Amino acid sequence: AQSVTQPDIHITVSEGASLELRCNYSYGATPYLFWYVQSPGQGLQLLLKYFSGDTLVQGIKGFEAEFKRSQSSFNLRKPSVHWSDAAEYFCAVGPGGSNFGNEKLTFGTGTRLTIIP
Amino acid sequence: DAGITQSPRHKVTETGTPVTLRCHQTENHRYMYWYRQDPGHGLRLIHYSYGVKDTDKGEVSDGYSVSRSKTEDFLLTLESATSSQTSVYFCAITGEQGPNTEAFFGQGTRLTVV
Repeated sequence: AQSVTQPDIHITVSEGASLELRCNYSYGATPYLFWYVQSPGQGLQLLLKYFSGDTLVQGIKGFEAEFKRSQSSFNLRKPSVHWSDAAEYFCAVGPGGSNFGNEKLTFGTGTRLTIIP
Repeated sequence: DAGITQSPRHKVTETGTPVTLRCHQTENHRYMYWYRQDPGHGLRLIHYSYGVKDTDKGEVSDGYSVSRSKTEDFLLTLESATSSQTSVYFCAITGEQGPNTEAFFGQGTRLTVV
């Protein structure tokens, strides 16, 4: 079964500083990978996704993520954070392929991002 | 924004009572999901549906049932609410690619069982 690990429960970053949120996955084949963001009191919104091809993917709000197969990682990055980036971030993995059967989208436990002035 | 409406948005109920949460979509998406979100656990899948009258269990389905009689509506029922079911519940929908495509989420329902 697939699994996702987000090792950092809470990260605090100064406004304008760079950001990297970690995500590691476990899955036998090449999964489909996603990052979602959740603002307080809201549902989740997709930031970006990786299915195949270029391992560096660009998303909304200036975020990017890099798929590294050798490290089973899909870390999220942003060069310069803004106060509005304060939120909770979830990494998720899908089974990939067209024959996904009963396999589901699996979420990590999330990383809460705090931005300080 | 994807057309997903959850109702109610907030509910307080007593232990032992049945509770039904509703998810309504206007996107005509095939797949619908119910998740619960708890601190330290992220989102955990309760049940999902892959079509009208077609549903299956997720990882935390005990104490919950679902029904989908129309494409647009997916109901989650807590048969006899317990304090451990106090949580925030999210509905999500996806298109034909199921778990391999973008999921759109509702705003959530905060349920408190006292």
